[in-house]
Amino acid sequence: DAGITQSPRHKVTETGTPVTLRCHQTENHRYMYWYRQDPGHGLRLIHYSYGVKDTDKGEVSDGYSVSRSKTEDFLLTLESATSSQTSVYFCAISETANYGYTFGSGTRLTVV
Amino acid sequence: GQQLNQSPQSMFIQEGEDVSMNCTSSSIFNTWLWYKQDPGEGPVLLIALYKAGELTSNGRLTAQFGITRKDSFLNISASIPSDVGIYFCAGQLLVDDKIIFGKGTRLHILP
Repeated sequence: DAGITQSPRHKVTETGTPVTLRCHQTENHRYMYWYRQDPGHGLRLIHYSYGVKDTDKGEVSDGYSVSRSKTEDFLLTLESATSSQTSVYFCAISETANYGYTFGSGTRLTVV
Repeated sequence: GQQLNQSPQSMFIQEGEDVSMNCTSSSIFNTWLWYKQDPGEGPVLLIALYKAGELTSNGRLTAQFGITRKDSFLNISASIPSDVGIYFCAGQLLVDDKIIFGKGTRLHILP
């Protein structure tokens, strides 16, 4: 399996609290992505990174921030969690911008 | 915004049957990707297509990059129980290189 690990795998948090999800890769891929998956919506891009300290917004970035201080780690932070952010979050990596992504196993986040 | 229309949303078939699903759009793509997702896991890349008209196989799976660059299809021949899951198409837009995903086709296999 490609070396991509998401943590935690499951989390329950309260509304209004900050939450950080971690994606760690051992493939030295340049591109990293955060998606959320919701029924009826498929996969939607939150933020992505094209290098250390280089990030950009996706289509559903409101309420989320990211950081990439090392090639191998891409952090997703929910600044103040809301119930609408209950979802399954996937990290993905790719060598180039148009090559197929490798996805992590996901983090199931529940905001109560 | 741009979107991919993936159909059907779900399929119920008998083991051994062939399966066909497709993605269409009004936008033009320079790459098509097909993924499968098993329960509790992330999507796994099945087939990648990079040229209009390209036909690529991966075992019992065959996918094609439509000649108009606006569509793609995936066929599965002689389905088996482990084919159950959700299949996603994804396309890289020619206009800005962004990748967008279809909403998935959920495949069920009846015993």
